[in-house]
Amino acid sequence: AQSVAQPEDQVNVAEGNPLTVKCTYSVSGNPYLFWYVQYPNRGLQFLLKYITGDNLVKGSYGFEAEFNKSQTSFHLKKPSALVSDSALYFCAVRDMTGKGRRALTFGSGTRLQVQP
Amino acid sequence: EPEVTQTPSHQVTQMGQEVILRCVPISNHLYFYWYRQILGQKVEFLVSFYNNEISEKSEIFDDQFSVERPDGSNFTLKIRSTKLEDSAMYFCASSEAMGGLLEQFFGPGTRLTVL
Repeated sequence: AQSVAQPEDQVNVAEGNPLTVKCTYSVSGNPYLFWYVQYPNRGLQFLLKYITGDNLVKGSYGFEAEFNKSQTSFHLKKPSALVSDSALYFCAVRDMTGKGRRALTFGSGTRLQVQP
Repeated sequence: EPEVTQTPSHQVTQMGQEVILRCVPISNHLYFYWYRQILGQKVEFLVSFYNNEISEKSEIFDDQFSVERPDGSNFTLKIRSTKLEDSAMYFCASSEAMGGLLEQFFGPGTRLTVL
């Protein structure tokens, strides 16, 4: 079975500082990995994905994520946080070999709070 | 930019009643999904749909749930006899491909409240 863990319920960071939102995953084969963001009363918005290739992927709004196969992690990062980045962030995975569920499996979400 | 739309934004119903949640996926997408998010919990997969049939469903998607694509644009989720624990935000999503290479695009959600 595939699963995602987001160990932090909330991350607090000051505006202008770098931020990291952690995600680890478990799949039986190789993973497709995604980050989504959810603003209040809105749906999930796609940020970025890792399919194959370069371990560092860049996405929307200046976010990037680093795939680390040995640590089974896909942490979301941004060099300089903005107050407007405050939202709920979800990591998601699916097994690219098709052995696991083909739909996305989401983590529990991490609330990012950026203080002015 | 094309987007997934959902109606209604909020549905209140009495326990035991039937509800139908509606979604209009992005027009050139072929794969459709329903997810739900109980307040304060993670987003959970319910069902995926392709070529007019269910391609995958979770253990949550029991006999009281059904999905349909009644025409070329709408994709619906029906709950036959709602229970209190069905109260959640229901998200529709669509993608061009099932293989996971392409991301799923999510609608804004329908908040279902069962009284």
